[in-house]
Amino acid sequence: EDKVVQSPLSLVVHEGDTVTLNCSYEVTNFRSLLWYKQEKKAPTFLFMLTSSGIEKKSGRLSSILDKKELSSILNITATQTGDSAIYLCAVTADSNYQLIWGAGTKLIIKP
Amino acid sequence: SAVISQKPSRDICQRGTSLTIQCQVDSQVTMMFWYRQQPGQSLTLIATANQGSEATYESGFVIDKFPISRPNLTFSTLTVSNMSPEDSSIYLCSVDSSTDTQYFGPGTRLTVL
Repeated sequence: EDKVVQSPLSLVVHEGDTVTLNCSYEVTNFRSLLWYKQEKKAPTFLFMLTSSGIEKKSGRLSSILDKKELSSILNITATQTGDSAIYLCAVTADSNYQLIWGAGTKLIIKP
Repeated sequence: SAVISQKPSRDICQRGTSLTIQCQVDSQVTMMFWYRQQPGQSLTLIATANQGSEATYESGFVIDKFPISRPNLTFSTLTVSNMSPEDSSIYLCSVDSSTDTQYFGPGTRLTVL
C-alpha cells in the first residue's frame, strides 16, 4: 500500500533557529512530491519536486528530493513566528491523479 | 494558479440537518476534489468530481451521505447530509493544475452540535 510518512510529528523551536522537516514515501511509480503549508484551514502550495538532487528555494524555505532514499527534506532558515504552521507532504504516482498525504509536521516557533 | 472560493467559511449546525458547501473556481478545470480534515488529522479525500459524470467516492464515503454536484467546469457543491457531531471537520475543495499540483480553496469549518 502506498504511504507517506513525515517526521517529526511536532517540533518546537525558537525564532531564528533552522529547522529540517522530513518526508519519506513508499509508492509505486512515483511521479512527484509536494510540500504545503497549512496555517488555518487551507493548505498553500510551497514546492513540487520531481527530480533528485535539485533544490527548490523560496526565500528562507528550500526543499530537495532524494529518489534513492525515497525522501525529501524541507528546510526553513532563520525561522519567524509566522512560520508556525502544519507542513504537509504529499506524493503523486503514475497510477492515478490523487495525492497521497502524510500526517503533517506541526511546527511551533517561539519568540 | 487558480483562484478558488468556498462558501460558507464556517457554520454551526444541528445534528440531523444537512449543509451544502459551494466551491467556485475562476477558470475552467477538469477535476475538482473534496477533502475532509478532522481535528488533528491530515487530509482525507472524500471524492473526485468531474463535470458531466458522477463523482468517484473513496472508500468509506458514500453518495447518500456526501452528494456532490458538478454542473460545469468552474463550480461544484458538496452536501453533508444528516449530520452528526462526527462530521465536525474542515471541508476543503481543490483543483488539479496542469502541472500535477492541487490548489485549495479557503475551506469550510463545520461544527455539528
